[in-house]
Amino acid sequence: GNSVTQMEGPVTLSEEAFLTINCTYTATGYPSLFWYVQYPGEGLQLLLKATKADDKGSNKGFEATYRKETTSFHLEKGSVQVSDSAVYFCALISSNDYKLSFGAGTTVTVRA
Amino acid sequence: EAQVTQNPRYLITVTGKKLTVTCSQNMNHEYMSWYRQDPGLGLRQIYYSMNVEVTDKGDVPEGYKVSRKEKRNFPLILESPSPNQTSLYFCASSFRGPGVAGTYEQYFGPGTRLTVT
Repeated sequence: GNSVTQMEGPVTLSEEAFLTINCTYTATGYPSLFWYVQYPGEGLQLLLKATKADDKGSNKGFEATYRKETTSFHLEKGSVQVSDSAVYFCALISSNDYKLSFGAGTTVTVRA
Repeated sequence: EAQVTQNPRYLITVTGKKLTVTCSQNMNHEYMSWYRQDPGLGLRQIYYSMNVEVTDKGDVPEGYKVSRKEKRNFPLILESPSPNQTSLYFCASSFRGPGVAGTYEQYFGPGTRLTVT
């Protein structure tokens, strides 16, 4: 079946630090890949997406590139802010069965 | 305002007492889905529906039922809740979007925190 593995947290950073959250996947067919973010006490919201190999998704200073050769979709941000403190989920949807699979989530805390 | 609504937001119940959590979306989305969120496990898909009268099991369907009689509504039914179904539940909806798999970017509801004692 499909699966998503993302780096365990929690991750604690200082403001303006560089953030990377690793995500690798296993999927059949041609998955679309996503990063979702969950701010404290809220539901999830889409952060960025990519639908095919070598696509780069970007939003709010975050970026992730769909790497088919390494089955990865790592999330990066060059300079984090306190407001980026949240839980980040990597996810995929498979073209075979349209099930959605999420990683376990990575909690990121940014300190001023 | 485009949104997904869930009711109730909080529910405490006892083992074996049937309950329904409602989910409604006003975006005319074909795809709807239920998830549960548990610490350390992320989100796990319970059931999903590609359209009216079409439902499929996700990764953790045991103990749950769903129905999709109308496009906008996708209720989650727990016929006989047990303590291991204590969790935070999210409903979501989406449209297909481009790409081979489509994008199906999920629009999430605010969540329902369920406690089964």
